[in-house]
Amino acid sequence: GNSVTQMEGPVTLSEEAFLTINCTYTATGYPSLFWYVQYPGEGLQLLLKATKADDKGSNKGFEATYRKETTSFHLEKGSVQVSDSAVYFCALSDRETSGSRLTFGEGTQLTVNP
Amino acid sequence: DGGITQSPKYLFRKEGQNVTLSCEQNLNHDAMYWYRQDPGQGLRLIYYSQIVNDFQKGDIAEGYSVSREKKESFPLTVTSAQKNPTAFYLCASSPGQQSNQPQHFGDGTRLSIL
Repeated sequence: GNSVTQMEGPVTLSEEAFLTINCTYTATGYPSLFWYVQYPGEGLQLLLKATKADDKGSNKGFEATYRKETTSFHLEKGSVQVSDSAVYFCALSDRETSGSRLTFGEGTQLTVNP
Repeated sequence: DGGITQSPKYLFRKEGQNVTLSCEQNLNHDAMYWYRQDPGQGLRLIYYSQIVNDFQKGDIAEGYSVSREKKESFPLTVTSAQKNPTAFYLCASSPGQQSNQPQHFGDGTRLSIL
């Protein structure tokens, strides 16, 4: 079946530090990949997506590249801000095996200190 | 603005009681989903519906029931058979079967046991 594995958290950084959150996946078809962000007490918001190999998704300074050869979709940001503190979820959907259903990683808590 | 509305934001259940969580969307999306989120964990799919009057069990459907009588509404009932209902419940929608279309989430309902 499909699965998503995220790096264990929590992650604590100082403002302006470089961020990487690792995400690897297992899928039998050709998945689309997503990063969602969840602020305290809220639902999930789409951060970025990539739908085929070598696509790069980007938004608000965050980037992730769909690497089929390493089955990875790592999230990066060059300079984090305190307002980036949240939980980040990597997810995939696979039309071949599960249609529009999403499979989520366990989430990574990010705290950015001033 | 289009979006997903979940109500109530907080809900308390007594032992042996059924409770219903509301989810309404005005995005004209065909597909709707219910997820459960436990502390420090990812999201787990309870039920989903790809079209009106049709729905399927997700990974953890036991103790829950749903209906999809209208396109814009997908209520979730937590029955007394669900022995550990305390969690954060998230509703989502997406345009349909296309796996490259992201899901949109509501702000969630937090359910607790009295």
